[in-house]
Amino acid sequence: NAGVTQTPKFRVLKTGQSMTLLCAQDMNHEYMYWYRQDPGMGLRLIHYSVGEGTTAKGEVPDGYNVSRLKKQNFLLGLESAAPSQTSVYFCASSYTSGVFDEQFFGPGTRLTVL
Amino acid sequence: QKEVEQDPGPLSVPEGAIVSLNCTYSNSAFQYFMWYRQYSRKGPELLMYTYSSGNKEDGRFTAQVDKSSKYISLFIRDSQPSDSATYLCALIRNDYKLSFGAGTTVTVRA
Repeated sequence: NAGVTQTPKFRVLKTGQSMTLLCAQDMNHEYMYWYRQDPGMGLRLIHYSVGEGTTAKGEVPDGYNVSRLKKQNFLLGLESAAPSQTSVYFCASSYTSGVFDEQFFGPGTRLTVL
Repeated sequence: QKEVEQDPGPLSVPEGAIVSLNCTYSNSAFQYFMWYRQYSRKGPELLMYTYSSGNKEDGRFTAQVDKSSKYISLFIRDSQPSDSATYLCALIRNDYKLSFGAGTTVTVRA
């Protein structure tokens, strides 16, 4: 099992450019999440999905869109990148949203917006 | 004010020392507590979880919760260089909202 994979690992964008981050999981998990991690801020939830075809806003959704067309994939889009979106982005998945249902994280995507 | 406060460190200790990490929180709705470990340039992985006040041990790791003081701790005994990582506390409210601390970076010197 590959677990949770993220593509790409690194990316540099210019302000105003768009891009899509891809997350894939092979654990048949229902729930998937996108976080961003910034120094001193911890992990903050951007969007999440409770199943194929569903998405919901997290704590910091502005400037991002997501789609979950297939159960195993969760895409994060930036339509018009801004320097404030420079961050490390992590995707995670879990079987349910149970209290102690472990979230499995991908290796992260390091995004720099110039 | 952040819901969860965690001293970012960094913390540097010699091999074999006890590492003490902690988080404080302000909302009594947090009922469930976890610790994640994150190695450099990797994603976090779950280390321990607990929900009751008191101590929970797992090998060299002890998680401690004091709900009355809204204070949680993680202790690492006999620390090893392989324990060098960032440790994040994660708290879950009774409405299942999850909040992470900022993480404490630990270096164990050989």
